[in-house]
Amino acid sequence: KAGVTQTPRYLIKTRGQQVTLSCSPISGHRSVSWYQQTPGQGLQFLFEYFSETQRNKGNFPGRFSGRQFSNSRSEMNVSTLELGDSALYLCASSLEGGAGQPQHFGDGTRLSIL
Amino acid sequence: GQNIDQPTEMTATEGAIVQINCTYQTSGFNGLFWYQQHAGEAPTFLSYNVLDGLEEKGRFSSFLSRSKGYSYLLLKELQMKDSASYLCALDTGGSYIPTFGRGTSLIVHP
Repeated sequence: KAGVTQTPRYLIKTRGQQVTLSCSPISGHRSVSWYQQTPGQGLQFLFEYFSETQRNKGNFPGRFSGRQFSNSRSEMNVSTLELGDSALYLCASSLEGGAGQPQHFGDGTRLSIL
Repeated sequence: GQNIDQPTEMTATEGAIVQINCTYQTSGFNGLFWYQQHAGEAPTFLSYNVLDGLEEKGRFSSFLSRSKGYSYLLLKELQMKDSASYLCALDTGGSYIPTFGRGTSLIVHP
C-alpha cells in the first residue's frame, strides 16, 4: 500500500511569490491534514479536509489556503510569501479523522523563502 | 485550549533505558499519541493510550495518567537508530485533529 506522497520535496521561492503544494493520501483515506513544522514552533496545524470540505482550521492567516479533490488528493496554497513561511510542510492522512485514528504523514515539502 | 510540555532534548547511552515525559493541560481528550520522527523524515505512529496505565509494544512502552495529566514514553535497550524526535499529541474530542507538543530530541550515543 503506497504511503502519503507529497510533491515537490524541496522548493525555493522569493518573498511575494505564491506556491502550491500537493498531497496524495493513502488509498481509502478521506481525511487530509496539513501542518507547518519549524524548529521553534514544532508541528502547527493548518487545516483539515474531509470529503472536499474544510472541516477544521488552525490559526494561520488567510494567505494559507487549501482544497481537496473528489479523489481525496489535496493541495495547499500560500500567497504573498514571507520569510517566516520557510518551513517543512507536512501532509497527513487518516481514514476519517476520527478519534483514535493515527495520522500517516508524508515526507513533507521543504519550503525556503529567499 | 491545550497546553503540552515536553523536554526539548535528552541524551542517553546505547543499551540503556530512557523515559520521555509529556505533561498536558486540557479540558478533555480521547487519548494520547506518541510519534517518532527521524531527522528529515516523516513522523511515524508509535502508540495510542486511551486508558490509564502502561501499554507495552516491544522495546517501546507508553504510559498515561489522566488524573496527573501526564504521559511518558519508555524506550528500553536503546539503539543508535532510536536517535530521533519524539512527539506526544493529544487526540481531542471536538476536532479530531491531534494537538502536538514541540517534541523531544533524543540523542543516543555509544
